[in-house]
Amino acid sequence: SYELTQPPSVSVSPGQTARITCSGDEVSKQYTCWYQQKPGQAPLLVMFKDSERPSGIPERFSGSNSGTVVTLTISGVQAEDEADYYCQSADSSGNHWMFGGGTKLTVL
Amino acid sequence: EVQLVESGGNLVQPGGSLRLSCAGTGFKFETHWMTWVRQAPGKGLEWVANINQDGNEKYYMNSGKGRFTISRDNAKSSLYLQMNSLRAEDTAVYYCARRGAYYDVLTGGFYYYYGVDVWGQGTTVTVSS
Repeated sequence: SYELTQPPSVSVSPGQTARITCSGDEVSKQYTCWYQQKPGQAPLLVMFKDSERPSGIPERFSGSNSGTVVTLTISGVQAEDEADYYCQSADSSGNHWMFGGGTKLTVL
Repeated sequence: EVQLVESGGNLVQPGGSLRLSCAGTGFKFETHWMTWVRQAPGKGLEWVANINQDGNEKYYMNSGKGRFTISRDNAKSSLYLQMNSLRAEDTAVYYCARRGAYYDVLTGGFYYYYGVDVWGQGTTVTVSS
């Protein structure tokens, strides 16, 4: 089965750069999305097509794909960025989707 | 304002059934693929099912095949999830979500991507005796 792997946690100080990775055998074959989820809230789309930022998402959020690893980068992290982040992609047919296990971003 | 509002979550006994509903407003419901995603207590997100615009393409997570049925009524701008033979492990918040689309300035067309751009607030399903 197709799986996406994320680190369970990432910690950074305010103003630093946070990088959250998502790896899987087929991340090079399908685009990846990223979602931010704060406690008690529904997820929020922060990146689609690996590196496209939806309207309203701050420019400090960016995305990249190196082939087998996709990365969500948050530059100049702010306290409000503390949240769980999930990557999401699809199998080769595009019909079955999957999420990574999630990464808890802690702003120290 | 684009909005999705789920309803129908409840406490149900193992083996029981439940039908979730989702009402979409503020956008052309009939032009979008729709999705259900769930989140067990303290756990991550899990994709449940997708349905295309006219309802003739449906895809399910492996553990939902044969038990869950996704459907829609475009005249009512509504999405549904019929869940049968419920198990304790189906306990979760169930989110209704809209598949995302983007506008390509080069081609002048709209294209769907494998992700969702709008989420409801979720409805809670608890399977317990």
